[in-house]
Amino acid sequence: GAVVSQHPSWVICKSGTSVKIECRSLDFQATTMFWYRQFPKQSLMLMATSNEGSKATYEQGVEKDKFLINHASLTLSTLTVTSAHPEDSSFYICSAAQGLDEKLFFGSGTQLSVL
Amino acid sequence: RKEVEQDPGPFNVPEGATVAFNCTYSNSASQSFFWYRQDCRKEPKLLMSVYSSGNEDGRFTAQLNRASQYISLLIRDSKLSDSATYLCVVNLNYQLIWGAGTKLIIKP
Repeated sequence: GAVVSQHPSWVICKSGTSVKIECRSLDFQATTMFWYRQFPKQSLMLMATSNEGSKATYEQGVEKDKFLINHASLTLSTLTVTSAHPEDSSFYICSAAQGLDEKLFFGSGTQLSVL
Repeated sequence: RKEVEQDPGPFNVPEGATVAFNCTYSNSASQSFFWYRQDCRKEPKLLMSVYSSGNEDGRFTAQLNRASQYISLLIRDSKLSDSATYLCVVNLNYQLIWGAGTKLIIKP
């Protein structure tokens, strides 16, 4: 079955640094990948949708210059949190759409803690 | 064996019926469990956590069977609005492992 690999699982960083999170589709080509953020005890919130080879579409309220998304290939999308601050501490999850039936497969998530 | 397995469905169920589906997990050290609901192409929304003693929220009942390593979701008196994909999620060492989802279609 389809697998989406997300790394790293845990990141602890100092305020002001940048953090890159990778999302890979291991056995299928993902034309579309989604990035979500989840604060404690809340549901996932869609941050952006990225299509391979084009600019990501960001949801309202999500700063595109702070959350850089790159989807350079059909199997890899990256989310870079630039100049991270403590309020960016959250759980970030990616998902990838496989094929025309648009079934979504999810990564295992990245817990970001900014000190 | 997949870490978290779900029957992809679709489950076609008449309105008003009761439907149940399971989710099996492979790692006995898994610590917590959740059911999420996802509507087409939207972000999953937390439906309910699953507690060891079983828990109920309105028409929804979740149960955990640690011995057999599965969780279940029961929906009573199904509504058309229950049509969605239901995702099983397992927390193992603070990593969320997602099932691929079970598609439920409620028919009038």
